[in-house]
Amino acid sequence: SQQGEEDPQALSIQEGENATMNCSYKTSINNLQWYRQNSGRGLVHLILIRSNEREKHSGRLRVTLDTSKKSSSLLITASRAADTASYFCATDGYGQNFVFGPGTRLSVLP
Amino acid sequence: DAMVIQNPRYQVTQFGKPVTLSCSQTLNHNVMYWYQQKSSQAPKLLFHYYDKDFNNEADTPDNFQSRRPNTSFCFLDIRSPGLGDAAMYLCATSRGPGTLAFFGQGTRLTVV
Repeated sequence: SQQGEEDPQALSIQEGENATMNCSYKTSINNLQWYRQNSGRGLVHLILIRSNEREKHSGRLRVTLDTSKKSSSLLITASRAADTASYFCATDGYGQNFVFGPGTRLSVLP
Repeated sequence: DAMVIQNPRYQVTQFGKPVTLSCSQTLNHNVMYWYQQKSSQAPKLLFHYYDKDFNNEADTPDNFQSRRPNTSFCFLDIRSPGLGDAAMYLCATSRGPGTLAFFGQGTRLTVV
């Protein structure tokens, strides 16, 4: 089954810095989604990017998608302590439900 | 207001004693999913309902069952919980495959 795989697995940065997380997947997709999960809580969707899109923005978030490289990146600009969480990408192909990658644990230090 | 509600938030059950986790939604979404998430791992899809159609993932153990009596509710039944079934169980809904999913807060299951 196709699966997104994020890297790095863990990332620590200072408040105000930018954080970049990457996701790679194996097979053709219909769309790719990024989710955030605070410790012990449910997942919150951040951005959905379709296979025919290359970039999307939402506030301090910027997602890119390169289908030729089967990869996506999530950029969080001007990070805050409240951005500390795990970030997952999830991919789905035509007619298939999305599968999550192992996630990146982001720590933003004050 | 919460749109996907899972009850209870924390559940303790005895080894081998059947347990049911519940999920309800106010979004009127067609699809409801159940995921299992173990510590520091990605959520793993167990099964989903598209309306009344049940779709089981190939590697979901028979110990896990699900019911969806109506659009709003979906249940996860674990017939004989083992220690390895201790995890966070996440319910999610979406309008259809490939659309945004909305997750509940999860139920953390402990097996003693």
